[in-house]
Amino acid sequence: EAGVTQFPSHSVIEKGQTVTLRCDPISGHDNLYWYRRVMGKEIKFLLHFVKESKQDESGMPNNRFLAERTGGTYSTLKVQPAELEDSGVYFCASSQDRKAGVETQYFGPGTRLLVL
Amino acid sequence: AQTVTQSQPEMSVQEAETVTLSCTYDTSESNYYLFWYKQPPSRQMILVIRQEAYKQQNATENRFSVNFQKAAKSFSLKISDSQLGDTAMYFCAFMKRYSGGGADGLTFGKGTHLIIQP
Repeated sequence: EAGVTQFPSHSVIEKGQTVTLRCDPISGHDNLYWYRRVMGKEIKFLLHFVKESKQDESGMPNNRFLAERTGGTYSTLKVQPAELEDSGVYFCASSQDRKAGVETQYFGPGTRLLVL
Repeated sequence: AQTVTQSQPEMSVQEAETVTLSCTYDTSESNYYLFWYKQPPSRQMILVIRQEAYKQQNATENRFSVNFQKAAKSFSLKISDSQLGDTAMYFCAFMKRYSGGGADGLTFGKGTHLIIQP
């Protein structure tokens, strides 16, 4: 079974440009999470989808970040316009149905974003 | 809000030694999970071990075990017979659990860089 995949693995853009990150969760996982790790800091929660619905987006830094999950499958995270402080590693994770009691989140390899 | 603290930014031990990574957390919640994740140099983060807060018995996975002290809000990871492949960043994480079976996103510590020397 394929794990969580993310694309691209690296992205280098200039300030003011737009970047879209993609995450494909493990098949059948209803829950999808986005996290970010800025250099030297903790990994921070950004938001949580249950199927196609945003369950919790309390961690989104500001309105330059837009996340979508079309049809409850893959998810995209768009940053527009990108700022220098957006640089970091963006992780995606997925988990099975909450009610099943299996809460382990499985992580993708991350996308390294560098804004110049 | 929850906080997770890992006080050891980096540790280095010899192969085959036992090493303990510390983690403390702060929460007012009573129902939660605690996790240790490992991120090797290849970047994919993988689960090492998981502990449900309501379970008094410490979780164990082969060479990995935890010392869960709920009253002290401490959750340390012990790696026995350490191997070169254990070299990685280790993250301690907290997740609140709801009575209906739901859960929040993870709250992470800053991580401990563990180096196993040959």
